[in-house]
Amino acid sequence: GNSVTQMEGPVTLSEEAFLTINCTYTATGYPSLFWYVQYPGEGLQLLLKATKADDKGSNKGFEATYRKETTSFHLEKGSVQVSDSAVYFCALGENTGGFKTIFGAGTRLFVKA
Amino acid sequence: DAGVIQSPRHEVTEMGQEVTLRCKPISGHDYLFWYRQTMMRGLELLIYFNNNVPIDDSGMPEDRFSAKMPNASFSTLKIQPSEPRDSAVYFCASRARDRRNEKLFFGSGTQLSVL
Repeated sequence: GNSVTQMEGPVTLSEEAFLTINCTYTATGYPSLFWYVQYPGEGLQLLLKATKADDKGSNKGFEATYRKETTSFHLEKGSVQVSDSAVYFCALGENTGGFKTIFGAGTRLFVKA
Repeated sequence: DAGVIQSPRHEVTEMGQEVTLRCKPISGHDYLFWYRQTMMRGLELLIYFNNNVPIDDSGMPEDRFSAKMPNASFSTLKIQPSEPRDSAVYFCASRARDRRNEKLFFGSGTQLSVL
């Protein structure tokens, strides 16, 4: 079945450091790919998305490129801030069957001042 | 729009008691999802509905769990009887239509503690 695998956390960085959170997926067909972010005490919210191969999603300085050849959708940010501390979830949206969204396990990010 | 509304925000109950979690999706959204989040298993899909009809309940852990969607604006997730291992954050999410690139809108979750 379809699945998403992302790097385990927690990830701890200093402010202004470069961030990469790896995500790979297994899916039939051509799913959409998403990154969601969860701040403490809140529900998940969409950070960015890409709907086809080679698309780049971007938002708030975060970027991720849909790589079909490597089945990856790694999240990057050039300079993190303390306010980026959160849990980040990689997800795929199925394009067959029930069209449900499948999430990775989440990666917790701590950014130190 | 007020977004997806869940109640209660926190629930503390004793083992064996019935627990009912509630969700009001965003008006006009055709899909409603119930997820459970724990440290051990991350975010698990329990069940989802399309136009009030359950489509896939394969994630429901056992018969103690049941979910209903009597109309387009309301859904419940019930646990009876509850057990300590049910302690988790339960999220409801809704989405418009059946398009794969549509994002999910999440509620703030219900933190359930079963003692």
